[in-house]
Amino acid sequence: KQEVTQIPAALSVPEGENLVLNCSFTDSAIYNLQWFRQDPGKGLTSLLLIQSSQREQTSGRLNASLDKSSGRSTLYIAASQPGDSATYLCAVMQGGSEKLVFGKGMKLTVNP
Amino acid sequence: KAGVTQTPRYLIKTRGQQVTLSCSPISGHRSVSWYQQTPGQGLQFLFEYFSETQRNKGNFPGRFSGRQFSNSRSEMNVSTLELGDSALYLCASSLNYYEQYFGPGTRLLVL
Repeated sequence: KQEVTQIPAALSVPEGENLVLNCSFTDSAIYNLQWFRQDPGKGLTSLLLIQSSQREQTSGRLNASLDKSSGRSTLYIAASQPGDSATYLCAVMQGGSEKLVFGKGMKLTVNP
Repeated sequence: KAGVTQTPRYLIKTRGQQVTLSCSPISGHRSVSWYQQTPGQGLQFLFEYFSETQRNKGNFPGRFSGRQFSNSRSEMNVSTLELGDSALYLCASSLNYYEQYFGPGTRLLVL
């Protein structure tokens, strides 16, 4: 059974810091991995999708990497801003199903 | 391009009642999935539909059911509501085994 872990559960940093968010999964047979952002009481916003054959994806200040063999993904946020404050979730999809298995998320607070 | 829409956004029901939630996917997306989000359990998969067929189902009791229509719109139904069904219900659509886009969710409160 696939399990996804995100540690730590919360992080508070001053504005301007470069951040690394970690995600680990137990079964390396994944189809893809997706990072999401969730603002309080809202739905999920897709940030980056990494296919199993890819090593990384970039969008603006965000960069996500994937190491399937070790069961890890990292989301890098450059030059953090207060507007980056949200809960970040990673989720993996395995073959044969659109089912996403989510981590519990990491609540990020960026202080001005 | 319009995003995923869900209606209603908020619902208050009492125990024993039933509820129907609706999801309209992004135009052209034929795959729709449903998730339940609670503070204790996080995001849990309910079911997924593709071209009106349920492809996969999560580990929820039979009180939770769903369907998909020919225009890809989907509904989920919860019968005999329990207090523990209070949650944010999220719907996602995709082009089929690709990036999933989520709607704003329906917040259900069971009293």
